Amino acid sequence: GESVGLHLPTLSVQEGDNSIINCAYSNSASDYFIWYKQESGKGPQFIIDIRSNMDKRQGQRVTVLLNKTVKHLSLQIAATQPGDSAVYFCAENRGNAGNMLTFGGGTRLMVKP
Amino acid sequence: DAGVTQSPTHLIKTRGQQVTLRCSPKSGHDTVSWYQQALGQGPQFIFQYYEEEERQRGNFPDRFSGHQFPNYSSELNVNALLLGDSALYLCASSSGQGPYGYTFGSGTRLTVV
Repeated sequence: GESVGLHLPTLSVQEGDNSIINCAYSNSASDYFIWYKQESGKGPQFIIDIRSNMDKRQGQRVTVLLNKTVKHLSLQIAATQPGDSAVYFCAENRGNAGNMLTFGGGTRLMVKP
Repeated sequence: DAGVTQSPTHLIKTRGQQVTLRCSPKSGHDTVSWYQQALGQGPQFIFQYYEEEERQRGNFPDRFSGHQFPNYSSELNVNALLLGDSALYLCASSSGQGPYGYTFGSGTRLTVV
């Protein structure tokens, strides 16, 4: 069935480097996307979101890019810090799906000091 | 300003038993959604409550039921527990029925033995 998925289950980066986490989605009706960070023992924490009428959105040290042509979403983290180590999920909301979010399987980001 | 609070934090139940999990939404939020997160996977939508009614439901059996109280707090009930029900159960609150502004709690870790 249609789902949101991730290309890489684990990403290891050096402290200070930039990180890129990717996500593919298959439902062209999706119009809202969110990136969440989940640390061990905690619930998902909102990082940044983007609507389908945008290609790029920037926050503090994070940027989300949306490529609707190939149904691809990415999260870029600048100057990655040890505190960024966590599992990252992309989630989509399909316009006709009300409040429900569909999550991908997650990517674990490990930051080496 | 308290965020989303869930209780209990951990729970061990025997197969066939029933369990009730509780959630208090973030102040100002009136909508509660429940998600199940199996180990190593992304959260899956169970259902959403708004104005004390179930407004949307994911692909979960009738063993999963819920309730929302006038103060917007919510309960998730699971009957006839199966080993496969072992998971982290997350509550998310928001304002209104849209997918925006979700705030997740830290979850209840349910283990069925």
